[in-house]
Amino acid sequence: AQSVAQPEDQVNVAEGNPLTVKCTYSVSGNPYLFWYVQYPNRGLQFLLKYITGDNLVKGSYGFEAEFNKSQTSFHLKKPSALVSDSALYFCAVRDNYGGSQGNLIFGKGTKLSVKP
Amino acid sequence: NAGVMQNPRHLVRRRGQEARLRCSPMKGHSHVYWYRQLPEEGLKFMVYLQKENIIDESGMPKERFSAEFPKEGPSILRIQQVVRGDSAAYFCASSPGRQPGNTIYFGEGSWLTVV
Repeated sequence: AQSVAQPEDQVNVAEGNPLTVKCTYSVSGNPYLFWYVQYPNRGLQFLLKYITGDNLVKGSYGFEAEFNKSQTSFHLKKPSALVSDSALYFCAVRDNYGGSQGNLIFGKGTKLSVKP
Repeated sequence: NAGVMQNPRHLVRRRGQEARLRCSPMKGHSHVYWYRQLPEEGLKFMVYLQKENIIDESGMPKERFSAEFPKEGPSILRIQQVVRGDSAAYFCASSPGRQPGNTIYFGEGSWLTVV
């Protein structure tokens, strides 16, 4: 069965410093991986996705993610964090097995806190 | 370019009443998903629908919950005889199809409070 793990409940970063939010996955077949961000009392906003091709994927708001097949990881990164990046980040994998094809399976989320 | 539209944004129901949550997918999208987010928790899949067809309802509670996506009109998530434990944010999402590379876009959510 497909699954996603976000090992950190919270990540604290100083403004201007690089940030990394970790995600590992387990899939049968090719992985289709996504990152979403959720601000308080809002819906999920799509940041980026990996389908195939280059391992470094660029997305919205200066975020990027690196797909690493050998480590089954898809970490979210940003070179210089902003206070406004503080939010809840979700990694997800597209279920491509059996009757649930198409559904997203989410990690538990990582709360990012960027301090000035 | 309207995104996924959900209403109501906030809904208060007394225990035992019914809650109806509506979702209009993005233009051109024929696939709709419903997720539930409990306080301080991640998103849990509930149901996946295509027009007039339930594709996967493995995440739906066996009782009191139902969903539909008719040929015309929005998708409806219906919760009968609500209980306090149903208090949560319910998110609808849509995609153009079942291709795994398609992006799934989310609405702003409907916050249900059961008093």
